[in-house]
Amino acid sequence: GIQVEQSPPDLILQEGANSTLRCNFSDSVNNLQWFHQNPWGQLINLFYIPSGTKQNGRLSATTVATERYSLLYISSSQTTDSGVYFCAASRPSGNTPLVFGKGTRLSVIA
Amino acid sequence: EAGVAQSPRYKIIEKRQSVAFWCNPISGHATLYWYQQILGQGPKLLIQFQNNGVVDDSQLPKDRFSAERLKGVDSTLKIQPAKLEDSAVYLCASGLYRAAVGSPLHFGNGTRLTVT
Repeated sequence: GIQVEQSPPDLILQEGANSTLRCNFSDSVNNLQWFHQNPWGQLINLFYIPSGTKQNGRLSATTVATERYSLLYISSSQTTDSGVYFCAASRPSGNTPLVFGKGTRLSVIA
Repeated sequence: EAGVAQSPRYKIIEKRQSVAFWCNPISGHATLYWYQQILGQGPKLLIQFQNNGVVDDSQLPKDRFSAERLKGVDSTLKIQPAKLEDSAVYLCASGLYRAAVGSPLHFGNGTRLTVT
């Protein structure tokens, strides 16, 4: 099956700093999503982005499908951005499910 | 719109006991997924439904886990008998379209299971 690798595994930021999280995947995809899991365990869908670039407030994401990677940008980070960011992807064959990476744990300190 | 509803929120059982989790997806969503998330790891798919049919259950430990989605809406996941390694958060998610087309996945708050 598809392999999803995320980097870095851990990240500590000062409030107000910017960051880039990376997701590499081993095969072509038709489905690429970014999620934020807050400290209470809730998983929130941030982006559905199999290709191209999207922006939502201070967050933006870019997927370069031909080069098999996706980036999540966080600008002007806030303490509420803390948590684990997951990338998940699936291949364009049949009804293959989303496979999750191991996540990037982000801590934003005041 | 209402989100994905799951219950119970927490459950503590002894090994070899049975337990059941319930999920009500977002109205109109065709696909429903059960994921298992062990502490410190990403979610791992257990089973995927398309309406009321099973699409993928290749990673479901069928000797002890079972799931059903009656009438293509609510779903239940059962573990019988439970083992210590089943301690995890069980997450239900739903999506508007079938997985091959792709659509954003929405998760419930999960059920945290502790097996002692």
